[in-house]
Amino acid sequence: GAGVSQTPSNKVTEKGKYVELRCDPISGHTALYWYRQSLGQGPEFLIYFQGTGAADDSGLPNDRFFAVRPEGSVSTLKIQRTERGDSAVYLCASSPTGQSSYNEQFFGPGTRLTVL
Amino acid sequence: DQQVKQNSPSLSVQEGRISILNCDYTNSMFDYFLWYKKYPAEGPTFLISISSIKDKNEDGRFTVFLNKSAKHLSLHIVPSQPGDSAVYFCAARSSIKAAGNKLTFGGGTRVLVKP
Repeated sequence: GAGVSQTPSNKVTEKGKYVELRCDPISGHTALYWYRQSLGQGPEFLIYFQGTGAADDSGLPNDRFFAVRPEGSVSTLKIQRTERGDSAVYLCASSPTGQSSYNEQFFGPGTRLTVL
Repeated sequence: DQQVKQNSPSLSVQEGRISILNCDYTNSMFDYFLWYKKYPAEGPTFLISISSIKDKNEDGRFTVFLNKSAKHLSLHIVPSQPGDSAVYFCAARSSIKAAGNKLTFGGGTRVLVKP
């Protein structure tokens, strides 16, 4: 079966623009996670969906960041008024369930965002 | 405040020898630990995990050791192979149910296995 896919693989934008990053999780996985990885660092948690709802958005850095998962499958991470500091690789991961179970997370290849 | 730390940014080892990667954590609520491997331009791939109720888990060439009292875990790769050259991330999950399954990652250790 297909793994987690993310589009686009690369996105270059100008400061102040709006961007959308898409994640297609593994079919049937109810839990979906967004992480951000800056150069030389490990991935940092942004937001976690259980089904359609955001169960934990405590990692979103500010209100310019927003994510949706309207049908409990595909998710879109939206960044408004992008800043140069938003440049990073945005990783999406999914797992069969998200609560009280030892499920590994399967990661997509990431979207490299560059804000000029 | 880094809750998961990998203090060695890089490691170089000869093919056939043992690679030992270390990870320290500060949050006593972490109950599940994972190691991920990452190649350039790819997402992290799961390698091995350990629950806090165990002190060792082995899978082929990979063994993870957990010392809860020291809040320390390590990954042993033996024998190391050139294909093991990658960045390795240690990650931890909180036992708090509200936290879901989100992971807290260390900064990574780049491993180079020399033929």
